Amino acid sequence: GALVYQYPRRTICKSGTSMRMECQAVGFQATSVAWYRQSPQKTFELIALSTVNSAIKYEQNFTQEKFPISHPNLSFSSMTVLNAYLEDRGLYLCGARGNSQNTLYFGAGTRLSVL
Amino acid sequence: GDSVTQKEGLVTLTEGLPVMLNCTYQTIYSNAFLFWYVHYLNESPRLLLKSSTDNKRTEHQGFHATLHKSSSSFHLQKSSAQLSDSALYYCALSDPQGGRALIFGTGTTVSVSP
Repeated sequence: GALVYQYPRRTICKSGTSMRMECQAVGFQATSVAWYRQSPQKTFELIALSTVNSAIKYEQNFTQEKFPISHPNLSFSSMTVLNAYLEDRGLYLCGARGNSQNTLYFGAGTRLSVL
Repeated sequence: GDSVTQKEGLVTLTEGLPVMLNCTYQTIYSNAFLFWYVHYLNESPRLLLKSSTDNKRTEHQGFHATLHKSSSSFHLQKSSAQLSDSALYYCALSDPQGGRALIFGTGTTVSVSP
C-alpha cells in the first residue's frame, strides 16, 4: 500500500534558527507533494504544492524565501523553515500523491516548537 | 476560488447514536472530487471516503457519504457512533485531474462518550 513517512516527528529550535523536515513516499511515485501547516484552530493551511518537473507553487502568505522546498525525485521531498519564530510553531504535514491521482497520502507530521 | 465549509466545529454525542457531519463546497469544476479524512492525535490524517458519481453513496468502515452536486454537499454519516470514532474529521475538495493541492474545510472534532 501507499505510505508516507515524515520525520522528525517533533523538533525544537531556538528562535531565529532553521529546521528541515523530510517526507518519504513508499509504495507509489510521489509526483506531487503538498505541504500544509495545521493552525492552532486545527485548520490545514496549504503552504505550497510541489510537482516534479514543474515550478513549486506557494500560497499567499508563504514564500520560498521562508519555506524552501526540495523535491528531487519521485519518493522524497523536504521543506525547511528558515529563521523560525514563535508564529511558525505548529504541526507541519506533507501529503503526497501519484500521477493522475486525487488522493493525498499524509505523513504523521512534524511538530515544530520554537524557544 | 474553491472552498469547503464544515459548519460544525465540535460534535459531541453518546456512543450508539447516529452522527452526521456537514460538508458543503464551492468549486469551478463540474467533476470535482470530495473526500473525508480522519485525523487521530499523533497519527497521519487518513482517507476515510472518496466521492463517486453524483448521487451515488460511498461507504467505508461504517461511514457513508453521498455527493449531491445539486446542493454542493458531501455530508458524512454513521448510524451508530463508537468511542473509537472520536477524532478530527476533515472534508476536502480536489480538481478532477489532481493537478492542484486538496482544499480542506476547517475540520470537525467528534467526541463520543460512553
